[in-house]
Amino acid sequence: DGGITQSPKYLFRKEGQNVTLSCEQNLNHDAMYWYRQDPGQGLRLIYYSQIVNDFQKGDIAEGYSVSREKKESFPLTVTSAQKNPTAFYLCASSILWTGNTGELFFGEGSRLTVL
Amino acid sequence: AQSVSQHNHHVILSEAASLELGCNYSYGGTVNLFWYVQYPGQHLQLLLKYFSGDPLVKGIKGFEAEFIKSKFSFNLRKPSVQWSDTAEYFCAPNPAVYKYIFGTGTRLKVLA
Repeated sequence: DGGITQSPKYLFRKEGQNVTLSCEQNLNHDAMYWYRQDPGQGLRLIYYSQIVNDFQKGDIAEGYSVSREKKESFPLTVTSAQKNPTAFYLCASSILWTGNTGELFFGEGSRLTVL
Repeated sequence: AQSVSQHNHHVILSEAASLELGCNYSYGGTVNLFWYVQYPGQHLQLLLKYFSGDPLVKGIKGFEAEFIKSKFSFNLRKPSVQWSDTAEYFCAPNPAVYKYIFGTGTRLKVLA
């Protein structure tokens, strides 16, 4: 089945440690996104990527880094510089339409807890 | 600044009651409009979308939404909710390529 796979689902980390969240898609989508979901704040965009080897900062990129070495993969690293990393992280992808955008397809999310 | 407002944060309804969730956005120009739903334990998925044409759009599971350009609104409706509609609903105007602005979400609980 086509879709987006995020791992791990749950992750615990000590303060000062970097952690990498995996996101893999087999939908052949060009664009991939990382969002952070906090209660009462909706989804906020961290980074997005339109093509391989290119990515752009979203609204809350500080303390995060990404890479896009393959079309199907868009890992997110939460660095020790992120001041409030405990959150639910969602990866999404979409087809690129000329002059328009389409539906976002989401993974099941990764819940990160910093101890 | 571009923003979107979902007026109801928590809604509790009995089965068969009618539902309307408000969504207003604060910018003009061409905008595509989406509603996404997150059922308990499941991933976010598209409920319905509006790009152009008839401002009344229908989505999955009997949901519909009406785009009122003059009011910058895209309210979600369902005439008769079911227990299985218990979920969190997100309005997401999309004013530009790659730029989705999600609302804060509305948690709906339907009592059987």
